[in-house]
Amino acid sequence: NAGVTQTPKFRILKIGQSMTLQCAQDMNHNYMYWYRQDPGMGLKLIYYSVGAGITDKGEVPNGYNVSRSTTEDFPLRLELAAPSQTSVYFCASSYSPRLAGGRNEQFFGPGTRLTVL
Amino acid sequence: AQKITQTQPGMFVQEKEAVTLDCTYDTSDPSYGLFWYKQPSSGEMIFLIYQGSYDQQNATEGRYSLNFQKARKSANLVISASQLGDSAMYFCAMREANNNDMRFGAGTRLTVKP
Repeated sequence: NAGVTQTPKFRILKIGQSMTLQCAQDMNHNYMYWYRQDPGMGLKLIYYSVGAGITDKGEVPNGYNVSRSTTEDFPLRLELAAPSQTSVYFCASSYSPRLAGGRNEQFFGPGTRLTVL
Repeated sequence: AQKITQTQPGMFVQEKEAVTLDCTYDTSDPSYGLFWYKQPSSGEMIFLIYQGSYDQQNATEGRYSLNFQKARKSANLVISASQLGDSAMYFCAMREANNNDMRFGAGTRLTVKP
């Protein structure tokens, strides 16, 4: 199993450009998440999904959009990139807490380092 | 709203000694889960240990144990017999039963000295 994969690993954007960060998992997890990690800080949740076709906002959703058309894929879209979106982006997946008896630890991808100039 | 606090930005420990990383949390939900993750300098997030709010025993996973004090709302991570490879950032996180998201603390940077 590849686990959680993310592409690209690195990207530099100009202010106002758009891009999509790709995330895929092959563990048949129904829950998927997007986080951002600013330098020296913890992770903040951007969006999450509890299954195909269902998404919801996290703590810091502004400037981002997501879609979940399949169980495996959960892309994150940045529209009109701003310097404040310079960060490392992590995608994660997990089983439903009900299926996992509460212990639904998240499995993380390797991250995408995004710089907006 | 759930909140996680890690008050130690950095900690040092001598190799082979034990170290405790602090984590306190705030929630009004009686059902919740607490998680610890390790982030080495390479950047990946590695799950270490889980404690459920209704678990009677403190969780243990190899050299990692969780000192869970429910009344004080603390979930400290204890690493025994520290190794050089334990040098990393450590994050405490919590998920409430009625929430689908997970909130992370700011992290503690642990440095193991030879």
